[in-house]
Amino acid sequence: NAGVTQTPKFQVLKTGQSMTLQCAQDMNHNSMYWYRQDPGMGLRLIYYSASEGTTDKGEVPNGYNVSRLNKREFSLRLESAAPSQTSVYFCASSASGVSNQPQHFGDGTRLSIL
Amino acid sequence: GENVEQHPSTLSVQEGDSAVIKCTYSDSASNYFPWYKQELGKRPQLIIDIRSNVGEKKDQRIAVTLNKTAKHFSLHITETQPEDSAVYFCAARLSGGSNYKLTFGKGTLLTVNP
Repeated sequence: NAGVTQTPKFQVLKTGQSMTLQCAQDMNHNSMYWYRQDPGMGLRLIYYSASEGTTDKGEVPNGYNVSRLNKREFSLRLESAAPSQTSVYFCASSASGVSNQPQHFGDGTRLSIL
Repeated sequence: GENVEQHPSTLSVQEGDSAVIKCTYSDSASNYFPWYKQELGKRPQLIIDIRSNVGEKKDQRIAVTLNKTAKHFSLHITETQPEDSAVYFCAARLSGGSNYKLTFGKGTLLTVNP
């Protein structure tokens, strides 16, 4: 039981390049989330998917798109990477968004934009 | 939206002492308050959570208290050990409707000195 798996673990991009971060969970969770973590800023929600087939913007969605491919997978895409998007990206999942189930995090993707 | 303030940003204690981290939230409709521990380079991991119908919850050396009237909640760690050294995040979530979002505090770096 791997929990939440993120790929890749590290990535360096040049400004303007595009990239998709992958996330998969094997806990049969309905809800999935993408966060970014920057020093001194805590965890900020980029996008979330309450259930398969739905996605919604979080606190900092600009410059990102997401796809809930199926119940297991939730990807995050940077269409034209900018240095301000250098960050650690965490994917998380929870059994249900409504009933206060805890969120479980992946190991993160460390992304540098040059 | 919800706003969560966390204090202090850094905390240094001697092994065996107690540590207290405090958070305040802005929206009285919040009803779920998890605490996460993040070791350096690792994923955030849930250590304890509390729901708004409970005033206090304990799990071995860790306890969380909630004051709904004052809109603040605190994490208490007793008999601290070097392995408690990490960044701790509080979070809050609004109840009702389709709100699935956690709002995180900016974190507290706890250092336990041997």
